[in-house]
Amino acid sequence: GAVVSQHPSRVICKSGTSVKIECRSLDFQATTMFWYRQFPKQSLMLMATSNEGSKATYEQGVEKDKFLINHASLTLSTLTVTSAHPEDSSFYICSARGAGNYEQYFGPGTRLTVT
Amino acid sequence: DAKTTQPPSMDCAEGRAANLPCNHSTISGNEYVYWYRQIHSQGPQYIIHGLKNNETNEMASLIITEDRKSSTLILPHATLRDTAVYYCIVRVAGGSQGNLIFGKGTKLSVKP
Repeated sequence: GAVVSQHPSRVICKSGTSVKIECRSLDFQATTMFWYRQFPKQSLMLMATSNEGSKATYEQGVEKDKFLINHASLTLSTLTVTSAHPEDSSFYICSARGAGNYEQYFGPGTRLTVT
Repeated sequence: DAKTTQPPSMDCAEGRAANLPCNHSTISGNEYVYWYRQIHSQGPQYIIHGLKNNETNEMASLIITEDRKSSTLILPHATLRDTAVYYCIVRVAGGSQGNLIFGKGTKLSVKP
């Protein structure tokens, strides 16, 4: 199956700083990328969907100014958590889908801890 | 909200078949049934999907009832490495409606 990578796998940052998480599709062109968040012992929650070259569409309750998503190329999307606070500590997972391909492939996730 | 209902947890003995049920009574004619699993602290892994017919691959079998209102994922010989949360998701193929929305899933514990 197609491979999606995320970097970093783990990050610890101080409250008030910003953190950028990268998501790459390694062997296919991802026309659509998705960002999910997962709190401990909970299911994945879709945060936003982005199509290459377009602005992301955010799910209800997700602050677009806090979670900046860039999908400038067909193989890379970034999620920047701005002015992070401890309540933003979570497992962030990206997913990618290619043109004409209905399957979504998931990255390994990034564990963010805000101290 | 997720359109599926799954038991929150199940146990299975190692080497035995694990049968994970899923109810999707409001499934539409153009919606597929997908199964993913998530091993602790990893991203979800695709297992199998189907529309009407039963499906089998190297990982599992998917049995869909004739009225398509429920399905069962079968892991024929469960191993300890199959311990994970299993998600049953219904979705259309393609477009914004095809985004994967996760419910709470079933936590499968395979015991020696």
